[in-house]
Amino acid sequence: AQSVTQLDSHVSVSEGTPVLLRCNYSSSYSPSLFWYVQHPNKGLQLLLKYTSAATLVKGINGFEAEFKKSETSFHLTKPSAHMSDAAEYFCVVSDQFDTGKLIFGQGTTLQVKP
Amino acid sequence: EADIYQTPRYLVIGTGKKITLECSQTMGHDKMYWYQQDPGMELHLIHYSYGVNSTEKGDLSSESTVSRIRTEHFPLTLESARPSHTSQYLCASRRQGGNTIYFGEGSWLTVV
Repeated sequence: AQSVTQLDSHVSVSEGTPVLLRCNYSSSYSPSLFWYVQHPNKGLQLLLKYTSAATLVKGINGFEAEFKKSETSFHLTKPSAHMSDAAEYFCVVSDQFDTGKLIFGQGTTLQVKP
Repeated sequence: EADIYQTPRYLVIGTGKKITLECSQTMGHDKMYWYQQDPGMELHLIHYSYGVNSTEKGDLSSESTVSRIRTEHFPLTLESARPSHTSQYLCASRRQGGNTIYFGEGSWLTVV
């Protein structure tokens, strides 16, 4: 069965410094992986997705993630944090047979300090 | 911009009341999903549908029920709400063969 583990429940960075949100996955097949962001009282927004094409995936708002099969990781990065990046971030893997059935990680709260 | 809508966005109701959370999409998607998110926790799939008259339970057990009488409409009902049902409910859809999932903005339910 697939599973996702987000290694940090809370990450705090200063504005202008790099962001790293860590995610490991477990899957018996080649997975589709996603990062979603959820701002307070807002719905989910797709940041980026990996679907077996290029291993380095670029998303919106300057975020990117690298799929590393050997490490079963899909870490999310951004070179320079902005105050508006403060939110909850979810690493997600999709079901092998139905990409709409998503398995969510526990979430990482990103705090950005001025 | 995704064309998937949820109502109500926020609802506070008393224990024992019946409520229906509405979800509609205008994209003609066959596949629709309901996720539940307790405060500060991850989302879990509670119901899904692959088309009209098709409904299945998801990975997380839920006392709610769903129906799919029309392609565009996938309502979720709680016959008798309890405080343990306090949560956020997110509806999603995708087209057959597509891997882009579209989410609604969510319905925040509080049962007092």
